[in-house]
Amino acid sequence: KAGVTQTPRYLIKTRGQQVTLSCSPISGHRSVSWYQQTPGQGLQFLFEYFSETQRNKGNFPGRFSGRQFSNSRSEMNVSTLELGDSALYLCASSPLRQGGNTEAFFGQGTRLTVV
Amino acid sequence: AQKVTQAQTEISVVEKEDVTLDCVYETRDTTYYLFWYKQPPSGELVFLIRRNSFDEQNEISGRYSWNFQKSTSSFNFTITASQVVDSAVYFCALSEVDNNDMRFGAGTRLTVKP
Repeated sequence: KAGVTQTPRYLIKTRGQQVTLSCSPISGHRSVSWYQQTPGQGLQFLFEYFSETQRNKGNFPGRFSGRQFSNSRSEMNVSTLELGDSALYLCASSPLRQGGNTEAFFGQGTRLTVV
Repeated sequence: AQKVTQAQTEISVVEKEDVTLDCVYETRDTTYYLFWYKQPPSGELVFLIRRNSFDEQNEISGRYSWNFQKSTSSFNFTITASQVVDSAVYFCALSEVDNNDMRFGAGTRLTVKP
C-alpha cells in the first residue's frame, strides 16, 4: 500500500508570492491534516479535512487555506508569502477523523523556503 | 488547554545503552489520546504508538516500551539496548476528543553513538 505522498518535496519562493502544496493520502483514508514544522515553533496544526469539508483549523492567519477533493487528495495554499512561512509542511492521513480513535500517517513533507 | 512537554531537548547515548524519553502532558479532558512519533532525517513522522486515557497498561514492542501514568500525567518511552538506527527526533503528542488535532511536544533529539 502506497504511503502518503507530498509534492513537491522542495520549493523556493519569493516573498509576496503564493504557493500550493499537494498531498495524496493513503488509499481509503478520508481525513487529511496539515502541520507546519519550524525550528522555533515546532509542529503546529494547520487544519484538517474530512470528506471534502474543513473540520478543524489551527491558529494560523487566513493566508493559509486548503481544500480536499472527492478522491481525498488535498492541497494547501499560502498566499502573500512571508519569510516566516519557511518551514517543513507535513501532511497526515487517517482512515477516520484524525486524533482520537486512529493514528495519523505522515508524508515526508514539503520544505518551503521563502526568500 | 492541552499541552505537551518534552523537557529533554537532546540525549546522547552509546549503542546498547537503555534510554528513556520523558513526556508530560496537560489536559482538562477525561478522554484523550497520547502518541509517540519518530522523525528520522528523511523528515516524515513515523507512528510508534497510540494510547487512550482509559488504558494505563504499559506496552512493550520489541526494544520499545511505554509507561503511561495518569497520576503524574506522563507517558514515557524507553528504548532498550539502543542502536544507531534509533537516532532520530522523537515526538510525544496529545489529542483531545473534541479538538481532534494533535498537539505535539517540542521533541527530543536522540543520538546513539556506535
